[in-house]
Amino acid sequence: ETGVTQTPRHLVMGMTNKKSLKCEQHLGHNAMYWYKQSAKKPLELMFVYNFKEQTENNSVPSRFSPECPNSSHLFLHLHTLQPEDSALYLCASSQVGEQFFGPGTRLTVL
Amino acid sequence: GQQVMQIPQYQHVQEGEDFTTYCNSSTTLSNIQWYKQRPGGHPVFLIQLVKSGEVKKQKRLTFQFGEAKKNSSLHITATQTTDVGTYFCAGRISNFGNEKLTFGTGTRLTIIP
Repeated sequence: ETGVTQTPRHLVMGMTNKKSLKCEQHLGHNAMYWYKQSAKKPLELMFVYNFKEQTENNSVPSRFSPECPNSSHLFLHLHTLQPEDSALYLCASSQVGEQFFGPGTRLTVL
Repeated sequence: GQQVMQIPQYQHVQEGEDFTTYCNSSTTLSNIQWYKQRPGGHPVFLIQLVKSGEVKKQKRLTFQFGEAKKNSSLHITATQTTDVGTYFCAGRISNFGNEKLTFGTGTRLTIIP
């Protein structure tokens, strides 16, 4: 499945680094999402964008900064992360109904 | 807050046995979706239920939506090793015209060959 792609697939960063996660969807959907998935918690919705506009921010710390330049691309900018931010970060897109997920970025914060 | 809970959290079954996971919401749902995530993979959509009391089947999988639209279940008959993974329900909650999809806690299924 290549409808939703994410890069990089794996990322190791220190707490003082700045990095970005990228998501691209080739499905013509108008909504895109960032989720965090860690071992101890279910899928946590972080941000929602509809037609490039942020429509939801689930009390995410400011060290996570999303950017949606157009309906096909979504970024998650990371800075001064904490070790507890280590998780699988999943991007998804939807039009109406089901969400299509990307393969995720496995993030490790040292 | 609005929560969607699933039980059990883990389930180990012998190959060939049946498996059921249950999903319960504290709030009435507009609809409910089910996803499967294979080990090392990402969630993949299985099905959506919309109507009260709806039952849908996909081969060995049977999905039900409760009459009150607050609970749902996924039943797998005669499990196979390919059924291994985590099954998530996701309930869509309408709140003053704003709809939100809330994922359940998931049930991790392992199969003993």
